[in-house]
Amino acid sequence: IQLTQSPSSLSASVGDRVTITCRASQGISSYLAWYQQKPGKAPKLLIYAASTLQSGVPSRFSGSGSGTDFTLTISSLQPEDFATYYCQQLNSYPRTFGQGTRLEIK
Amino acid sequence: EVRLVESGGGFVQPGGSLRLSCAASGFSFSDHYMDWVRQAPGQGLEWVGRIRNKPNSYTTEYAASVKGRFTISRDDSQNSLYLQMNSLKTEDTAMYHCARVHDNVWGSDYIDYWGQGTLVTVSS
Repeated sequence: IQLTQSPSSLSASVGDRVTITCRASQGISSYLAWYQQKPGKAPKLLIYAASTLQSGVPSRFSGSGSGTDFTLTISSLQPEDFATYYCQQLNSYPRTFGQGTRLEIK
Repeated sequence: EVRLVESGGGFVQPGGSLRLSCAASGFSFSDHYMDWVRQAPGQGLEWVGRIRNKPNSYTTEYAASVKGRFTISRDDSQNSLYLQMNSLKTEDTAMYHCARVHDNVWGSDYIDYWGQGTLVTVSS
């Protein structure tokens, strides 16, 4: 299963609302996770089951979607949110990742 | 506290072999499936493979790009995960992360903890 994220990169300002899209090449139900990665660091789990927030993750992050189309939304960008975001499908092997969306400060 | 610490990375020539290790602590290692994920310099994440736990016969899954060349194993008595890499290619150059799978239930098998990684460089 191929995952296509859009956009590949995005410039935004603190306080903006941002949406990142992940599209699967075939239906994956709600078997999708989102991760955040900062430079030089390991990825961090944000959301699983497409819309369930991982414990400790701020509520400004939310996820939605099922089937082939999914979104990650950050309601009000904070300085620490500038990072690269990846989706991963958990429906079939291999457990593929999207190519990533780099979120930069405008 | 869950900790995953990789080791064994380094420089190797094309066609060579390398064995990576991951020392796990802070959780019941034997209960969990474990993954390897890699990231080439400046690139995105690539899932490498998985090993299941003993109740699931330690079976494995691999990405097509490494199948037949890489082997994942584990030693539950040592809380350790391994990645044996043979017939290495320049495109295998990457940071290799060990990762804990949250749950064995299909669709809930996302990664909830990651190691910091060990760098493998394949070059002549």
